[in-house]
Amino acid sequence: RKEVEQDPGPFNVPEGATVAFNCTYSNSASQSFFWYRQDCRKEPKLLMSVYSSGNEDGRFTAQLNRASQYISLLIRDSKLSDSATYLCVVNRLDTGRRALTFGSGTRLQVQP
Amino acid sequence: EPEVTQTPSHQVTQMGQEVILRCVPISNHLYFYWYRQILGQKVEFLVSFYNNEISEKSEIFDDQFSVERPDGSNFTLKIRSTKLEDSAMYFCASSDSSNYGYTFGSGTRLTVV
Repeated sequence: RKEVEQDPGPFNVPEGATVAFNCTYSNSASQSFFWYRQDCRKEPKLLMSVYSSGNEDGRFTAQLNRASQYISLLIRDSKLSDSATYLCVVNRLDTGRRALTFGSGTRLQVQP
Repeated sequence: EPEVTQTPSHQVTQMGQEVILRCVPISNHLYFYWYRQILGQKVEFLVSFYNNEISEKSEIFDDQFSVERPDGSNFTLKIRSTKLEDSAMYFCASSDSSNYGYTFGSGTRLTVV
């Protein structure tokens, strides 16, 4: 089983739509959770951290369900500039272990 | 905004040659990393470096790879004898102690021919 699994998409949505991405992780020792955004042939950029209580940043809402080992990202009022690949990322943050484990990403294409 | 700088942006090398990829992490960060991304695949962890030594490495990071912090600012990844399958985008990253300040460089595209 992959450590971090995501639906690869692509998700093709019109501007203004609401879209949700899901992610599951296999290692119950995972402690930190993130959504990154990656544009074509560019570096990953942190979109938001994901907290146990859920958190919101403008049009973006992230949720974490530790019992189900499931993370979600909701994007409201999609913009053309939201078109990118969204990477689900987990981290164990044990002593001396700070490596990030990436999912393969979900591609979003927002259309005019 | 502070950034991680990587050079060169693109490197073409012949199979069997040695390459050195260079990175300048954010100055007050303590942890340094190399990741790679083969075209069309996910980002994969290679190695982390803290307090002048490797703190963690993946199974990808075999004897052909080495890292060094030769001075107070640079962080390098050396591939001793490149193989075709080493062709990938290599990302350097650095983070502060909280690990939430993780910042990636813009990457070096390595093409082995």
